[in-house]
Amino acid sequence: DAGVIQSPRHEVTEMGQEVTLRCKPISGHDYLFWYRQTMMRGLELLIYFNNNVPIDDSGMPEDRFSAKMPNASFSTLKIQPSEPRDSAVYFCASSLIGLRDTQYFGPGTRLTVL
Amino acid sequence: EDKVVQSPLSLVVHEGDTVTLNCSYEVTNFRSLLWYKQEKKAPTFLFMLTSSGIEKKSGRLSSILDKKELFSILNITATQTGDSAVYLCAVRGSGNTGKLIFGQGTTLQVKP
Repeated sequence: DAGVIQSPRHEVTEMGQEVTLRCKPISGHDYLFWYRQTMMRGLELLIYFNNNVPIDDSGMPEDRFSAKMPNASFSTLKIQPSEPRDSAVYFCASSLIGLRDTQYFGPGTRLTVL
Repeated sequence: EDKVVQSPLSLVVHEGDTVTLNCSYEVTNFRSLLWYKQEKKAPTFLFMLTSSGIEKKSGRLSSILDKKELFSILNITATQTGDSAVYLCAVRGSGNTGKLIFGQGTTLQVKP
């Protein structure tokens, strides 16, 4: 299995630009999670989906952040407009029904907003 | 509010030492506790614990959960430089959902 796939692996953009991060979960997994990790705040859960439906988006920082999961094999996290404080590593993770406690993480996208 | 607290925040040891990492939690309707290891990239899964008093082992790593006292420990014996990483504890609480609450992590450095 290829594992969770994220793209891009690195993104550098200027303040005010739109940023789109992409994730392909492990095939057959029915939960998908978006996390953000910074030195200051550690690992934070932003939003998660079950069967493509957003279940809890209480961790999304503000309206500039949005996430979609149009089908079982693809999700996006969009930031518009981006700000320097959004600079972080963004991880996507997925888990399997019946084993939903074990989350498998993608390699992450390192976002730098100048 | 659900929370997970790890201690110590950082630790420096020498190869061959044994270390114990701690994780305490307060969550509504505890379901499970997980340990992850994070080197310079994504976290990787180590253990999942659901029952008190049952030790999980994998090589030199072991972990145990105490649901009465609301904590877990992760032991690493005969440490090696490759054990240097951030160790994350996460707990799944209320509801039948997949949401995990992470602790701040313990940074372990193993010196040769």
